[in-house]
Amino acid sequence: EADIYQTPRYLVIGTGKKITLECSQTMGHDKMYWYQQDPGMELHLIHYSYGVNSTEKGDLSSESTVSRIRTEHFPLTLESARPSHTSQYLCASSESTGELFFGEGSRLTVL
Amino acid sequence: KNQVEQSPQSLIILEGKNCTLQCNYTVSPFSNLRWYKQDTGRGPVSLTIMTFSENTKSNGRYTATLDADTKQSSLHITASQLSDSASYICVVSDRGSTLGRLYFGRGTQLTVWP
Repeated sequence: EADIYQTPRYLVIGTGKKITLECSQTMGHDKMYWYQQDPGMELHLIHYSYGVNSTEKGDLSSESTVSRIRTEHFPLTLESARPSHTSQYLCASSESTGELFFGEGSRLTVL
Repeated sequence: KNQVEQSPQSLIILEGKNCTLQCNYTVSPFSNLRWYKQDTGRGPVSLTIMTFSENTKSNGRYTATLDADTKQSSLHITASQLSDSASYICVVSDRGSTLGRLYFGRGTQLTVWP
């Protein structure tokens, strides 16, 4: 079983609020990722990191930002949430083989 | 354009029956193909991963096949159980970058009825 944790699992907030989705893994993986997933649609990569102080934008443009100050921690921040940000956000990490381990996801609803 | 197409979009079967899910891809170059199971409201969990040289791999009641020539894969589920109800996602990785870019299908939603 993967040791990767996301909080909160569910979040309902008003427009304009700042939110941070937390993601932590205890497997010592260097590579971490954030995906966005809407119902019935494929996962889209929005951010990734190869290691501490390394962050890159993914394929899907996102107004969110990420940081990687510690290997185990990869939080995602939205400075001003909008209804268009409503989605499920999945954090993942990978080992050297490329095998992906996902967290349980954070479902965000912006009213 | 690199794509991963899955069929059917959804499937309903009775408990104990077998089923097969399909995945066609146009990703090139090809590195590996993975099948994930995603329960409702949860993160995906890996079932199998196959490289170019592998044409079949099993994980319990799940058997994945790969035909790299026709760029097709299937996931066969034997003796289905209620807990098999989930979305099954096909993911293909290319060799085009150190990241090994991943291309996700939209998944097949499987429902197993008692």
